Amino acid sequence: GAVVSQHPSWVICKSGTSVKIECRSLDFQATTMFWYRQFPKQSLMLMATSNEGSKATYEQGVEKDKFLINHASLTLSTLTVTSAHPEDSSFYICSASRLAGDNEQFFGPGTRLTVL
Amino acid sequence: DAKTTQPPSMDCAEGRAANLPCNHSTISGNEYVYWYRQIHSQGPQYIIHGLKNNETNEMASLIITEDRKSSTLILPHATLRDTAVYYCIVLFSGGYNKLIFGAGTRLAVHP
Repeated sequence: GAVVSQHPSWVICKSGTSVKIECRSLDFQATTMFWYRQFPKQSLMLMATSNEGSKATYEQGVEKDKFLINHASLTLSTLTVTSAHPEDSSFYICSASRLAGDNEQFFGPGTRLTVL
Repeated sequence: DAKTTQPPSMDCAEGRAANLPCNHSTISGNEYVYWYRQIHSQGPQYIIHGLKNNETNEMASLIITEDRKSSTLILPHATLRDTAVYYCIVLFSGGYNKLIFGAGTRLAVHP
């Protein structure tokens, strides 16, 4: 149980285009979902936290207009990288918590974005 | 959240116990110690967590010192598949909490 999927697993796009990444909790309802970014040989960096039906809370330094997060249901959150540039190339990972106050997060397999 | 300190890398022979230390000297009384690991190019995986008592599950054991300023994650019989980066994170329990990942310990299990 507690499986989180991401789609796509990898994507290559041209500079200036937008890319949408989906994060789904397959067998549980996720009250809270998190989005992380990870550059090569670095640790995960939290980008934003989202609760179903409300606006995401972004970490300092993360541009909310560039990284659009939608958490429309208890099983789906999407991250859209708008006007992507090569410096946005990274490994994007989502996670989900089952209950409010539950610190155990279940992570998706990640999406590798390459912007040419 | 309290900051944690971990060695950057460790080696372990296959079949032996891997003991991964973590210092969290500024931990407060209501903060838990969580351990996650990340195998290369995958999402992190939850391992175990504890408050002050030692904990054990099917994956590992967590030993927390009496003063709670440090802890050790023990993989009793390491396998090659345990090669990963291990993260020790301290979290306040209550409300949804942000996992702030440090650099972690890169564990290499060798034959």
